[in-house]
Amino acid sequence: KAGVTQTPRYLIKTRGQQVTLSCSPISGHRSVSWYQQTPGQGLQFLFEYFSETQRNKGNFPGRFSGRQFSNSRSEMNVSTLELGDSALYLCASSRDISWGYTFGSGTRLTVV
Amino acid sequence: DQQVKQNSPSLSVQEGRISILNCDYTNSMFDYFLWYKKYPAEGPTFLISISSIKDKNEDGRFTVFLNKSAKHLSLHIVPSQPGDSAVYFCAASGDDGGSQGNLIFGKGTKLSVKP
Repeated sequence: KAGVTQTPRYLIKTRGQQVTLSCSPISGHRSVSWYQQTPGQGLQFLFEYFSETQRNKGNFPGRFSGRQFSNSRSEMNVSTLELGDSALYLCASSRDISWGYTFGSGTRLTVV
Repeated sequence: DQQVKQNSPSLSVQEGRISILNCDYTNSMFDYFLWYKKYPAEGPTFLISISSIKDKNEDGRFTVFLNKSAKHLSLHIVPSQPGDSAVYFCAASGDDGGSQGNLIFGKGTKLSVKP
C-alpha cells in the first residue's frame, strides 16, 4: 500500500523566489494537511484541505497558500521566500481522525 | 502560548522496563489526542489515538491514558525496546469537523531505550 508521497525531497531556493511543493495522499484519504517543522518552533499547522476546500488555516502569512485537486492531491506554494522559511514541510492525509494522520517524509526546503 | 506541552525533552529507560511519556494541554475544546513517533529525516508515524469520551486506549505494547479533569495524557510503552528510541510527539485536535486536520503538536520527548 502506497504511503503519502511528497515531492521533491530536497529543495534549495534563493530569497525572494517562490516554491511549489506537492503531496499525493493515500488512496481514499480526502483530508490533507500541511505542517512546517523547524528546530525552534516544532511542528506547526499550515492548513487543511478536504474535498478541494480549505477547511482550516494556521497562523502563517498570506505568502503561504495551498490547494487540493479533485484526485485529493495537494500543493502548497510559498511566495517571496524568506530565510526563515527554511524548514521541513510535511504533508499528512487521513480518512478519519480516529485512524490518525499519515505523514509523508517531507520536503526539506533551504532558502539561501 | 503553547496549548500542548511535553515538559520532558528527554527520557532514558532500560530495555524491558516501562516508558511513560507525559503531555499536558490547556484547551478544553480538544476532543481527540494522538501520539506520534518520529525518527530523524522521516515524517512522524502515527502510534495511537484516544477520544475524549474514553480514558484509556490500548494497542499492543502502547497504552494511552487520558485525564480530562487534569488536562493530562500519558503514553505507556511496555516493555520498552531499543527500537522504540525516537522522538515522541503528543498532538491534540478539536473534533468538530472543522478542525480535525488541525493537529496542535507538543515539542516532543526524545526517548532512549538502553539495551
